[in-house]
Amino acid sequence: GAGVSQSPRYKVAKRGQDVALRCDPISGHVSLFWYQQALGQGPEFLTYFQNEAQLDKSGLPSDRFFAERPEGSVSTLKIQRTQQEDSAVYLCASSPWTKRAHTGELFFGEGSRLTVL
Amino acid sequence: KNQVEQSPQSLIILEGKNCTLQCNYTVSPFSNLRWYKQDTGRGPVSLTIMTFSENTKSNGRYTATLDADTKQSSLHITASQLSDSASYICVVSRASKIIFGSGTRLSIRP
Repeated sequence: GAGVSQSPRYKVAKRGQDVALRCDPISGHVSLFWYQQALGQGPEFLTYFQNEAQLDKSGLPSDRFFAERPEGSVSTLKIQRTQQEDSAVYLCASSPWTKRAHTGELFFGEGSRLTVL
Repeated sequence: KNQVEQSPQSLIILEGKNCTLQCNYTVSPFSNLRWYKQDTGRGPVSLTIMTFSENTKSNGRYTATLDADTKQSSLHITASQLSDSASYICVVSRASKIIFGSGTRLSIRP
């Protein structure tokens, strides 16, 4: 596709439910990032993939958060046993640059807004 | 303390007026500094990029400046339009780290 595509755009989950958020990056982009954005705040880093390798997961807030990118393209962010504090917008971004050589622009999707009741 | 701090948190101005948004950073050295615009319900979109050695960069009515000595950047918006209503986020990249500010929420009133 022309841009980064995320789905679902909106997700309402009951506390304790598992959710899966999908990101389809721009074709050929090496780098893929997941960010969490609370209302009125800037994006907070969650995890980074270079192709299929998850090189940095230091931002994942707990072991309930898990991300994968098995074939180096589409990525899924899974949140197990959701809690109310998980309510946020989850942004995916891709880039043709590797993170170490990063001088390039991040191309963001429109985000998935998760509300945990 | 955040490594990238933005001010003001929010700003309301009348259509047609100019405004300046501030970004103070402690990240040093850095590869580049970007300003992103984020419309409500959308992902951020890059407006400008500056490397350490650049002082100013323009993109239409948007002009970003950088003072490496004081570790400050500003984004100046000229002749504001209703479509400028958005959050503006300052982002500093250093090696393998990309650090986001919390953003300034700008509202343009007709």
